[in-house]
Amino acid sequence: AQSVTQLGSHVSVSEGALVLLRCNYSSSVPPYLFWYVQYPNQGLQLLLKYTTGATLVKGINGFEAEFKKSETSFHLTKPSAHMSDAAEYFCAVTDYGQNFVFGPGTRLSVLP
Amino acid sequence: EAGVAQSPRYKIIEKRQSVAFWCNPISGHATLYWYQQILGQGPKLLIQFQNNGVVDDSQLPKDRFSAERLKGVDSTLKIQPAKLEDSAVYLCASSPGGGQTDTQYFGPGTRLTVL
Repeated sequence: AQSVTQLGSHVSVSEGALVLLRCNYSSSVPPYLFWYVQYPNQGLQLLLKYTTGATLVKGINGFEAEFKKSETSFHLTKPSAHMSDAAEYFCAVTDYGQNFVFGPGTRLSVLP
Repeated sequence: EAGVAQSPRYKIIEKRQSVAFWCNPISGHATLYWYQQILGQGPKLLIQFQNNGVVDDSQLPKDRFSAERLKGVDSTLKIQPAKLEDSAVYLCASSPGGGQTDTQYFGPGTRLTVL
């Protein structure tokens, strides 16, 4: 069965600094990988996803993630944090015939 | 286009009571999901419908939880009787097809508190 780990339940960065949110997964077959964002009192919204093809995936709001099979990772990055990026970020994995599994989430705080 | 609608937004009940949540997916979306999100955790899939059939309910506690999607449109999730550990946010999501790479569109959730 698949699983997802997200290192750091809470990450704080200064406005304008690099954002790096870590995601590692386990899957016995090539995975499909997703990052979702949840703003306070709102539902989850897709940031980006990897299915096949190019391993560097660009998403909305300037975020991108790179699928690294050798490291079983799908870390999320953004070159310059904005106050509006403060939210909870969830990594998720699925593969052929399996359930959709979310990680525990990382809460991002952006300091002025 | 209208998003996924859920009601109520908040519900407080006592243990052993019953409760029901309603979800109206995005028009035309074939697949509907119910998730349970306990505070501090990621969402956990409870049940997945494609049209009005169940695709996966392996993580649904069937002794107390039930769900239906009559006519393949809106859906209800019921808990009877509720336990303290059912306190969570219940999220509904929908996607256009049934593919695993489909984007899921989430509603705002129903926050359940069981006292």
